[in-house]
Amino acid sequence: GQQVMQIPQYQHVQEGEDFTTYCNSSTTLSNIQWYKQRPGGHPVFLIQLVKSGEVKKQKRLTFQFGEAKKNSSLHITATQTTDVGTYFCAVFSGGSYIPTFGRGTSLIVHP
Amino acid sequence: ETGVTQTPRHLVMGMTNKKSLKCEQHLGHNAMYWYKQSAKKPLELMFVYNFKEQTENNSVPSRFSPECPNSSHLFLHLHTLQPEDSALYLCASSHRPVGAEAFFGQGTRLTVV
Repeated sequence: GQQVMQIPQYQHVQEGEDFTTYCNSSTTLSNIQWYKQRPGGHPVFLIQLVKSGEVKKQKRLTFQFGEAKKNSSLHITATQTTDVGTYFCAVFSGGSYIPTFGRGTSLIVHP
Repeated sequence: ETGVTQTPRHLVMGMTNKKSLKCEQHLGHNAMYWYKQSAKKPLELMFVYNFKEQTENNSVPSRFSPECPNSSHLFLHLHTLQPEDSALYLCASSHRPVGAEAFFGQGTRLTVV
């Protein structure tokens, strides 16, 4: 089955520092989605990437899809306490519409 | 408010009880999903319904029984659960199942005692 690894599992940063989480797949992906889950909350869709090498930005968040469509990253510039939460990638491959979620990266921002 | 409403928000049940989780979406979506989120595992897809038809059963034990009477409502019937079934159960919906963004409900925190 589809294997997806998301690293790191946890990341502590000081407010104002940058943060990056990576999602790596063993197979070529059709597309990838990113979600954020605040503590005690539910996953909320952030973005979807479809094209090889695609880069999308949402304010301080930058999402990138690798050229080989096997990996993706989410980068947050100058973290704020409101960025606290767990960031998940969800990958699709082989024409399947069933997503495989990564284990998530929990971001802790210290003021 | 995501447009996907789950009830109850919290549930404690004994291993011999029968209970049901309810999910309702007001987004006009055609696909609905049940996910299980445990502390030490990735988000696990349990069931997928597309236009009220079950299209995926991800090797879920028969003590979990889904029901989708229409494209706006989804139930998860629970019976003779085990303590290891304690988790956050999330319902989600999407416009179509093919790689569309999913809108999640707030979840039901289930504890089996």
